[in-house]
Amino acid sequence: NAGVTQTPKFQVLKTGQSMTLQCAQDMNHEYMSWYRQDPGMGLRLIHYSVGAGITDQGEVPNGYNVSRSTTEDFPLRLLSAAPSQTSVYFCASSSGRGNQPQHFGDGTRLSIL
Amino acid sequence: AQTVTQSQPEMSVQEAETVTLSCTYDTSESDYYLFWYKQPPSRQMILVIRQEAYKQQNATENRFSVNFQKAAKSFSLKISDSQLGDAAMYFCAYRMANSGGSNYKLTFGKGTLLTVNP
Repeated sequence: NAGVTQTPKFQVLKTGQSMTLQCAQDMNHEYMSWYRQDPGMGLRLIHYSVGAGITDQGEVPNGYNVSRSTTEDFPLRLLSAAPSQTSVYFCASSSGRGNQPQHFGDGTRLSIL
Repeated sequence: AQTVTQSQPEMSVQEAETVTLSCTYDTSESDYYLFWYKQPPSRQMILVIRQEAYKQQNATENRFSVNFQKAAKSFSLKISDSQLGDAAMYFCAYRMANSGGSNYKLTFGKGTLLTVNP
């Protein structure tokens, strides 16, 4: 199984550019989420989804959009990149049942110049 | 809102020795799950161990074990016989047990960077 696949692994953008970080999972998980990881801050939740067509904001949603048209895919869109969005981004999924943990993708390192 | 605190930004241990990483959390819930994740330099997030709050018995996974003190809201990770491959950032995380909506989300601590000295 591929698990959670994130693309790209690295990206450099200029301020004001837009882009989409892709996330796909093949485990038929209901729950998917996006986190950003910054030095000394741990992982902070950006947006999450509990199923196709259902999304909600997390702790740090400003500047990001998401949609969930299928169970498998949960893309994260940066509408107008800002240097403050320089970070490592992780996508995760889980069945949400019981003590099942979240499965993480390998992350995307994004730099905004 | 739930919070998770890891009070040790960095720790070091000699190879083959034992080290304990601290984690405390704040919640008004009685049923929840706690996790320790390991993040090596490769950046992957790897589940180390999990604990259900309703279980009194501490979870163990080979050389990794936890000391779960529910009343104190403490969830420390003990690594025995430390190996060079244990060097990583370790994150403590909390999740509510009730299913649905935002209850699925993980709340992370800020992490503890573990160095293993040969």
